[in-house]
Amino acid sequence: EVQLVQSGAEVKKPGESLKISCQGSGYSFTSNWIGWVRQMPGKGLEWMGIIYPQDSDITYSPSFQGQVTISADKSISTAYLQWSSLQASDTAMYYCARLSSSGLDVWGQGTTVTVSS
Amino acid sequence: SYELTQPPSVSVSPGQTASITCSGDNLGDKYTCWYQQKPGQSPVLVVYQKTKRPSGIPDRFSGSNSGNTATLTISGTQAMDEADYYCQAWDTSTHVVFGGGTKLTVL
Repeated sequence: EVQLVQSGAEVKKPGESLKISCQGSGYSFTSNWIGWVRQMPGKGLEWMGIIYPQDSDITYSPSFQGQVTISADKSISTAYLQWSSLQASDTAMYYCARLSSSGLDVWGQGTTVTVSS
Repeated sequence: SYELTQPPSVSVSPGQTASITCSGDNLGDKYTCWYQQKPGQSPVLVVYQKTKRPSGIPDRFSGSNSGNTATLTISGTQAMDEADYYCQAWDTSTHVVFGGGTKLTVL
C-alpha cells in the first residue's frame, strides 16, 4: 500500500524551533515530488512548497519562502518541514502529499501544530 | 501570481446534480484537479487532468474544463458527498495553486 505517514501533533511556544516529518512507503520515494500544504483552522488549503527527494531540488511558494525550510533524507524515505522560530500564526494542520502525473494523489494524515504561550 | 476562484458554498438536494465552478485566467489551457475533504480528514483526489477519475472514485464525479472555468459535477448527489471541494492547477511545473474551496451542502 502506498502511504505517507506524518509525525505526531506538536505543541510549541512562540520562538521555538520545530521539524515535522513525512515518511513514504509502498513506492519508490525518490521518483515523485513531495509537497507540503498548510490548512489553518477553518480555512482552505495553501501550497507551501515541494521537494524532489532524489536530488533535493526545492521550490517554495512565494508566501512561504524564508518562513520555512523543506528538506528530505532519501535514505529513509522521509521529507521534512521545519521552522526556526515559530509564531502563533503558524498554528495549523500541515499535510504532505505525493505529486504524480495525476496530481496530489497520496496525502499524509496531517500533523497538527499548535503554537501558544 | 495565479489565482483560482470558487464559490464559498453550493447546496443541492439528494439525488440532484451539483456543479462546483473554479475560474482562473486561461484555466482551460491548464491541467486541473479536484479534491474532496471531509471534516477531520485529509483531502482526497477525485478528478485529475481535467476529466479523469482515480480508481475507486465513483463515476458520479466528473470534471470539465474550457475557457476560464473548470467545473466539478456530481450526478445523483448523495449525503456522503457533503464535503469541502478544492480545485487545483499548476502555475508552473512545480508551483501548485489551490482555489479557496467550496462547501457542498446536501439538503
